[in-house]
Amino acid sequence: NAGVTQTPKFQVLKTGQSMTLQCAQDMNHNSMYWYRQDPGMGLRLIYYSASEGTTDKGEVPNGYNVSRLNKREFSLRLESAAPSQTSVYFCASSSVAGQGAIMNTEAFFGQGTRLTVV
Amino acid sequence: GEDVEQSLFLSVREGDSSVINCTYTDSSSTYLYWYKQEPGAGLQLLTYIFSNMDMKQDQRLTVLLNKKDKHLSLRIADTQTGDSAIYFCAGAGNMLTFGGGTRLMVKP
Repeated sequence: NAGVTQTPKFQVLKTGQSMTLQCAQDMNHNSMYWYRQDPGMGLRLIYYSASEGTTDKGEVPNGYNVSRLNKREFSLRLESAAPSQTSVYFCASSSVAGQGAIMNTEAFFGQGTRLTVV
Repeated sequence: GEDVEQSLFLSVREGDSSVINCTYTDSSSTYLYWYKQEPGAGLQLLTYIFSNMDMKQDQRLTVLLNKKDKHLSLRIADTQTGDSAIYFCAGAGNMLTFGGGTRLMVKP
């Protein structure tokens, strides 16, 4: 199984350029997430999608948009990249732990996209 | 939402035990997780504990959960240089929330 696949692995953008980070999972998970990881900051949630057709803001959504295209795919778009968005981006997926549900919500992570905005 | 806090850094000598601590705020977290991130890689699940358990042991790893104090710890016995990595705890209520990560450095 491929698990969670992110593309591209590396990207350099100029300030003001746009790009879309792609993520796909083949585990039939309902929930998908986009995180950014910065030195000393750990993982911060940008957006998440609890199920197909829904998206919600996380801790640091400004400057980003997302699309849950179908159950498999969850993309992250930077409309006008800024140097502050230089980071490593991780996509993850998990099954949903609803209220009272006993489900393993282990998250599976992609390998990350290293983005540099100059 | 949930807040998950960890200390930033831990240094131990090879062969010693390592204890990484984590505190969380959301008492509805059904599962609590420990993830490991090696340099240049994504996160990989190490172990998890269900919220009605106090302790879970898995080879060199021991997870302790104190629900009253909302405190989670990961003990690595006989720490090896290959254990050097960043360790994240995470809580799963309605969504996953990660701590900031603890960088474990193992000195030979």
